[in-house]
Amino acid sequence: DTAVSQTPKYLVTQMGNDKSIKCEQNLGHDTMYWYKQDSKKFLKIMFSYNNKELIINETVPNRFSPKSPDKAHLNLHINSLELGDSAVYFCASSYARSPYSTNEKLFFGSGTQLSVL
Amino acid sequence: AQTVTQSQPEMSVQEAETVTLSCTYDTSESNYYLFWYKQPPSRQMILVIRQEAYKQQNATENRFSVNFQKAAKSFSLKISDSQLGDTAMYFCAFMKHPQGGSEKLVFGKGTKLTVNP
Repeated sequence: DTAVSQTPKYLVTQMGNDKSIKCEQNLGHDTMYWYKQDSKKFLKIMFSYNNKELIINETVPNRFSPKSPDKAHLNLHINSLELGDSAVYFCASSYARSPYSTNEKLFFGSGTQLSVL
Repeated sequence: AQTVTQSQPEMSVQEAETVTLSCTYDTSESNYYLFWYKQPPSRQMILVIRQEAYKQQNATENRFSVNFQKAAKSFSLKISDSQLGDTAMYFCAFMKHPQGGSEKLVFGKGTKLTVNP
């Protein structure tokens, strides 16, 4: 069973379209993330949610809207896609946030390669 | 803000030899985690090794070990007995210890390692 699964793996679309990427984790984690990897392989966080609550929201255009229907799912919706949105988007999850946690680490999905034409 | 620097964009090593990948970071935090992630051509992000800053002992995982120098803010990865399957991008990453909130991974720009037969 895949621990963090995201769909689709590949997404090719035209500029101006709206698209969604889905993510699910079966690890029982409380926290989920979206990371973006650009064409130069640089990885940067976009959002994090804990128990459906938005915790981290980096400087990301309003066209990107995460949605967490429950703590096992974190979907990413992108409106009015632009050429610069082409990248690999990774979903990840980690153990519950806790000041006493000593086992913090992230588990990543296999990524969604988005190509905007 | 934390920064992570990987000064070697590309490296190569002969099969069965040892290679060391460099990573330095900048932070004013005293409690944090450091990670090395591997990204093979399959795109999957795989956790290689993890170090808690409060532990003086260097982490080891089979052929992978780190040299953690807290005062120097250095966290290098040593791969012994290199194998062809070690060919991948390697990312060094930093995470503050969560204090009641989820924390993000801050990544370096990666080192592309090629293991030659």
